Amino acid sequence: DIQMTQSPSTLSASVGDRVTITCRASQSINTWLAWYQQKPGKAPKLLIYKASDLESGVPSRFSGSGSGTEFTLTISSLQSDDFATYYCQQYNRYHTFGPGTKVDIK
Amino acid sequence: QVQLVESGGGVVQPGRSLRLSCAASGFAFSSYAMHWVRQAPGKGLEWVAVKSYDETNTFYSDSVKGRFTVSRDNSKSMFILQMISLRAEDTAVYYCARGEYYGSGSADYFDFWGQGTLVTVSS
Repeated sequence: DIQMTQSPSTLSASVGDRVTITCRASQSINTWLAWYQQKPGKAPKLLIYKASDLESGVPSRFSGSGSGTEFTLTISSLQSDDFATYYCQQYNRYHTFGPGTKVDIK
Repeated sequence: QVQLVESGGGVVQPGRSLRLSCAASGFAFSSYAMHWVRQAPGKGLEWVAVKSYDETNTFYSDSVKGRFTVSRDNSKSMFILQMISLRAEDTAVYYCARGEYYGSGSADYFDFWGQGTLVTVSS
């Protein structure tokens, strides 16, 4: 089974900050990685797929990069609507989510 | 617009059964793999099961294999999760999610999600 880890588990930031979240896979997953945003009481929302492709309608301040086993999600200038929990998910073989990174207000 | 609406959640005793439904609309349901993903209270996301668009492939997580069964009715745009022998650790919000177009179900990301239905397993 492919295991996913994320760092940090919690990130405190201010509006306007550049934010980077890291996701690592236990084995190579090429670029078969997605990122989701989830707010309390809501379903997850797809942000990025295939490591760096932005889902339609997602603001361009979100970007993804990486391949193999290490990936990053970057928010170039954090907005108030971006305080949420972020999950990575591999789909190289079946489906595994990372444990999540909570972005809260500093 | 794409809509996925889950129903059927509730409180159930350990060892009992429950059936969840997901009603899909706004897209060609029969052309997409469909998944169930769950989230225990205060925890992360856990993929549960998938049925390919043409029903030829079905996959389950190890934690539910042998106890949960997924099915779909493409004529009614319905996706079903039948759960038996429920355990306390099955307590979660269950989401249905859309997978890949003409997908086999073995490797998908999820572009649309329902609002979820809460299953509580407790005596």
